[in-house]
Amino acid sequence: DAGVTQSPTHLIKTRGQQVTLRCSPKSGHDTVSWYQQALGQGPQFIFQYYEEEERQRGNFPDRFSGHQFPNYSSELNVNALLLGDSALYLCASSLGWGEDIQYFGAGTRLSVL
Amino acid sequence: GQQLNQSPQSMFIQEGEDVSMNCTSSSIFNTWLWYKQDPGEGPVLLIALYKAGELTSNGRLTAQFGITRKDSFLNISASIPSDVGIYFCAGFSNTGNQFYFGTGTSLTVIP
Repeated sequence: DAGVTQSPTHLIKTRGQQVTLRCSPKSGHDTVSWYQQALGQGPQFIFQYYEEEERQRGNFPDRFSGHQFPNYSSELNVNALLLGDSALYLCASSLGWGEDIQYFGAGTRLSVL
Repeated sequence: GQQLNQSPQSMFIQEGEDVSMNCTSSSIFNTWLWYKQDPGEGPVLLIALYKAGELTSNGRLTAQFGITRKDSFLNISASIPSDVGIYFCAGFSNTGNQFYFGTGTSLTVIP
């Protein structure tokens, strides 16, 4: 039973560039959430996707956008990268919107230079 | 975004000792969860709590859902070296339908 998988594991970009991160949820899960975890901090909620729509959004600017595909996998896109966007980006999946149990992937480490 | 207050921020203990950490919030939550994160990995769920006053165990770990619904506690008994990592609490609100994470407690176990 495959868990949550994320790609790539590491990424280096420069300011102003755009980046796309990918996530495949745990088998059978249909809801995907994205989190940003800065060094030494807890994860901060970015947004959640269910039925291919953004259902909930945290306090992040419009530069952060996402997508969910019919197979429930998801992408996180960040435009016009800033140095402060450097962080570990975590994807979590759950069974159903409003479900309070999530399983996390290992994350994508993004460094913006 | 909101982050829950966790304490202590870090702990250095001898192997075999018991550990206690707690998490507080200004908001009421319907569910409290505790996660452990190892370096380079995502958080792994340890315990989930659903009712005020609930006490739940998972092996050497015991967690409690505070009566006020604004706090939670995690205890680890007889610590071992593999307990090393960062422990996060998380609160879930049915109305907000999102998770809020604590600031983390870093645990170091000295053999």
